[in-house]
Amino acid sequence: SAVISQKPSRDICQRGTSLTIQCQVDSQVTMMFWYRQQPGQSLTLIATANQGSEATYESGFVIDKFPISRPNLTFSTLTVSNMSPEDSSIYLCSVGGTSGSNYEQYFGPGTRLTVT
Amino acid sequence: EDQVTQSPEALRLQEGESSSLNCSYTVSGLRGLFWYRQDPGKGPEFLFTLYSAGEEKEKERLKATLTKKESFLHITAPKPEDSATYLCAVQAPGSARQLTFGSGTQLTVLP
Repeated sequence: SAVISQKPSRDICQRGTSLTIQCQVDSQVTMMFWYRQQPGQSLTLIATANQGSEATYESGFVIDKFPISRPNLTFSTLTVSNMSPEDSSIYLCSVGGTSGSNYEQYFGPGTRLTVT
Repeated sequence: EDQVTQSPEALRLQEGESSSLNCSYTVSGLRGLFWYRQDPGKGPEFLFTLYSAGEEKEKERLKATLTKKESFLHITAPKPEDSATYLCAVQAPGSARQLTFGSGTQLTVLP
């Protein structure tokens, strides 16, 4: 399985500011995803980070609010823009299996964001 | 739309008291069903993937099974360190490979 790291591990931010979260993988992966886990809730997919093209966003999530970059096969960033207290969540990066027939997904440790 | 329902929401067991967690799913063609363990403040830890009805997988005290409508995670003689939230997720066919998660079962094993 891939080793995934995220930075920062946690942050406290003021309303109206933006935060960029980094996701680094120790091997090249085709699929990278960003999820949100609100307090006491399960995981919700924000978007699929596509290498070399725009991210694919799920219903309810837009690029202006959650811009994503994927410059190569081992790295991605998610920005939470113009934050409000409702954005307080854990943000998780995940990666798909490294081989064509491996559909497993592995998650990073998460970034705990608190917006005041 | 893919749906995943987990039950119970919370489960308290005495150490050594075996039990099962349920994951019911509705998906238009199942590529895979995933079980994860999540400890507080951490990302989900991958446990199992099941691909077809009748398939079973085991890891230490955990055993996952799959039917056409649901999956069970059996916990045999649990220990306090098994306390965590257990998440179930499904993956539909297609190139996207994203997961749809259930709400999880919070397991507490008392010494």
